[in-house]
Amino acid sequence: QVQLVQSGSELKKPGASVKVSCKASGYSFTSYGMNWVRQAPGQGLEWMGWINTNTGNPMYAQGFTGRFVFSLDTSVSTAYLQISSLKAEDTAVYYCARASSTGWYDYWGQGALVTVSS
Amino acid sequence: DIQMTQSPSSLSASVGDRVTITCRASQSISSSLNWYQQKPGKAPKLLIYAASSLQSGVPSRFSGSGSGTDFTLTISSLQPEDFATYYCQQSYNTFGPGTKVDIK
Repeated sequence: QVQLVQSGSELKKPGASVKVSCKASGYSFTSYGMNWVRQAPGQGLEWMGWINTNTGNPMYAQGFTGRFVFSLDTSVSTAYLQISSLKAEDTAVYYCARASSTGWYDYWGQGALVTVSS
Repeated sequence: DIQMTQSPSSLSASVGDRVTITCRASQSISSSLNWYQQKPGKAPKLLIYAASSLQSGVPSRFSGSGSGTDFTLTISSLQPEDFATYYCQQSYNTFGPGTKVDIK
């Protein structure tokens, strides 16, 4: 069965970096795009962008350029989200989500909580 | 950029009620509209894709309609497990702000 398993919770200090992983199984990894979605505490869902798992080409939503990097390791069917120069406002749960070719997200990871605090 | 709005932002309803949530796009998005359900502490779950197609395994009391800029999610008879927050989303793009459905 299709599964997306994300790395665990992280506690980081402001200015540090974090890398969240999303390991896919149960399907052909390069056949579906991988999206990233942020949810700050008590807030709604924010689409951060997606990465084409076939070409490795990322696309970032407005507000998620510069400090946010999507990457892949197709040899282990894993997508990554790296955030640098962390700020308190980056505290959130980060989800990966598999996208169909026409853009709906049918499978989601369990979420990874990133807490930024001094 | 296309903006998504939802109404109401929250509602209180009873088991058995018919519930309707509206989503509006700031410009036409054809039928590229999806609906998700999220319960506290859980990942969102896809309910409806392409405006009106029911995702496999989702109960038939959920339905979606609309095209262009105006869309609707309807729950025909609210069940206890349906109390959650519902989000619309333009395919490969922005989510709406969400509608929280709680118990009256």
